[in-house]
This record gives sequence, C-alpha cells and structure tokens, in this order.
Amino acid sequence: GQQVMQIPQYQHVQEGEDFTTYCNSSTTLSNIQWYKQRPGGHPVFLIQLVKSGEVKKQKRLTFQFGEAKKNSSLHITATQTTDVGTYFCAGPRGSSNTGKLIFGQGTTLQVKP
Amino acid sequence: DVKVTQSSRYLVKRTGEKVFLECVQDMDHENMFWYRQDPGLGLRLIYFSYDVKMKEKGDIPEGYSVSREKKERFSLILESASTNQTSMYLCASTKGGKLFFGSGTQLSVL
Repeated sequence: GQQVMQIPQYQHVQEGEDFTTYCNSSTTLSNIQWYKQRPGGHPVFLIQLVKSGEVKKQKRLTFQFGEAKKNSSLHITATQTTDVGTYFCAGPRGSSNTGKLIFGQGTTLQVKP
Repeated sequence: DVKVTQSSRYLVKRTGEKVFLECVQDMDHENMFWYRQDPGLGLRLIYFSYDVKMKEKGDIPEGYSVSREKKERFSLILESASTNQTSMYLCASTKGGKLFFGSGTQLSVL
C-alpha cells in the first residue's frame, strides 16, 4: 500500500546548526504538507507544496517538493531552541482531496542551547 | 480561528471498559478524522467521517467504532478497551485539504 517514509527519526543539533528532514513517498503525490508538533502539543499545519520542484520559504525554514513529486525536504537554517519538536510530512491518500492524509513517522528535533 | 476541542486531555481506564472520546469542531467542516499517535509510528488513521452519519474505516479500525450524529461532533468509541490501545488520540477536521487538530487525549488502559 501507499507509504510515506521520513528520515531521520531523531536529530540532535547545537543551536545555530542547520537541520534537514527528508520525506519519501511510494507514490506520486498531488501535494505534500508539513506539520510541526511541539512537545506536549498537537500537530500544526506549516505549509503545503503543490507544484513539481516547488520551493517555499518561511523565515529560516525552506521546503522543497521534488521534481517527480515523490519526495520533499524541510531545511532549517541556524536552528533555535524554539524549533524543538517533531516535524511530519503528509500526503493525500490516492487522488482524494478529502483531507485524508498519510503521515510520515516524523523527525524529532532536539536543539542544545 | 478554527477550534477543534477534545473533551479530555488525559484518561485512565481499565481493561474491558467501554470508552468514549469526544471531539467538537466549530467551523462547520464536513470531514473529520480520528488519528492515533504512537512513538516511531507517526499518526495512523483510525476512522474518517465525510458527513453526518457517514463514516469510513482508516488503516487501523479494529477495536474502534465511531459516531457522528451532528456535523460538529465526532466520537471515537473503544468497545472494550485493551492495553494495546494505550496511546495519544488526535481528532482533526479539514478545510482546503489541510488538517486542524485538537489538543489530543492521552489514554492509558490499565
């Protein structure tokens, strides 16, 4: 069945270092979404990418959608302690636009001050 | 702001009990979801509802049922709780394909 894999599962960085998490889908996706979950919190929508090769930036966060629309990455430049949390990628199941998403396992980021 | 409210933040139940997890959204969204979150496994879809009284099984529906009698309310039911259902349960509704989550219910089954 359709799968979304995310690596690494955990990452510890020193504050100021960069961080990247990678997401790979077994099928071509119509779009990919990224969510952030702070410790003790719930996932919160960050961004959606739709176009092949799309790159979007939110301050220190850069999101990319692969040319084949099967992979994506999130890169954080110069991490801060506020970046701590788990980052999930998610893609639609099949061709539906109902909000039914399949999630990656998440990457948990720890930042040492 | 979209608000998705889950009735309990923490619940402790005994094996064999019937458990109700309630979720209410205030944005008139048609689609609502129940996910389960476990370390290393991410979020897994239990059930999905696309309208009142309409439901669809997700990836892990065994041991669960749902009820949607009103558009704003989506309930998850554990018919007979078991220890392997100890988990974080997240309710969500959707607008434009993106999910809005509730704060979650951490359920412990002893």
